[in-house]
Amino acid sequence: EAGVTQFPSHSVIEKGQTVTLRCDPISGHDNLYWYRRVMGKEIKFLLHFVKESKQDESGMPNNRFLAERTGGTYSTLKVQPAELEDSGVYFCASSTRTGTGEKLFFGSGTQLSVL
Amino acid sequence: AQTVTQSQPEMSVQEAETVTLSCTYDTSENNYYLFWYKQPPSRQMILVIRQEAYKQQNATENRFSVNFQKAAKSFSLKISDSQLGDTAMYFCAFMNQRGTYKYIFGTGTRLKVLA
Repeated sequence: EAGVTQFPSHSVIEKGQTVTLRCDPISGHDNLYWYRRVMGKEIKFLLHFVKESKQDESGMPNNRFLAERTGGTYSTLKVQPAELEDSGVYFCASSTRTGTGEKLFFGSGTQLSVL
Repeated sequence: AQTVTQSQPEMSVQEAETVTLSCTYDTSENNYYLFWYKQPPSRQMILVIRQEAYKQQNATENRFSVNFQKAAKSFSLKISDSQLGDTAMYFCAFMNQRGTYKYIFGTGTRLKVLA
C-alpha cells in the first residue's frame, strides 16, 4: 500500500514568488491535514479536509495561503506571494475516520526555503 | 486553548539503556487522545504509541511505554533497551475527542542513542 506522498521534497524560491505543494494521501483516507514546522518550533496545524470540504482552516496564517482538495483526492497548498517567514517544513497527513483518535499517516514533508 | 509542552529539546542515552522523554499538556477537556510520534532522519513521522484519556492503564508497545498521569496532565515516554535506530525527533501530540479534531504537537525532543 502506498503511503502519503508529498512533492516536491524541497523547494527554494525567492520572496514574492509562488509555490504550490502537493499531497497525495493514502487511497480511501477521507481526512487530510496540513501542518507546518518552522525551525525549532512546534508542528503547527494549518487545516483539515474531510473529503473535499474544509473542516477546519483556523491554522492558515493569512490569505496568501490557499489549500484545495479536488474531488476529495489529492490536495495542493499554494503560497502566493511567498514571504521569508513562510520557510519551514510542510507536512501532510491522512487518516480514515474523523475524531476517533486514530493515528495519522504522514508524508515526508516539503522543505520550503524562501530567500 | 490546548497546549503541549516538551521541556527537553535534546537528550542522549547509551545503547541498551533506558530513557524517559517528558510531555505535559493543558486542556479543560475530559476525553482526548495523546500520542508520541517519531521522526527519524528520513523525515517521515510514524506513530510510536497512543493513549486514550479515559483508559487508566498505561499504553505499551514493545520497548515503548508511557506514564500517563491525567490529573497532572503529564504523558511521558519511556524507551527501554535503547537502540541506535531510536535516534530521532520525538513529538508529543494531543487530540480532542470532539470539536475540530486537530492534533496539537509539542516542539519535539531530539534523542540521540550513543553506541
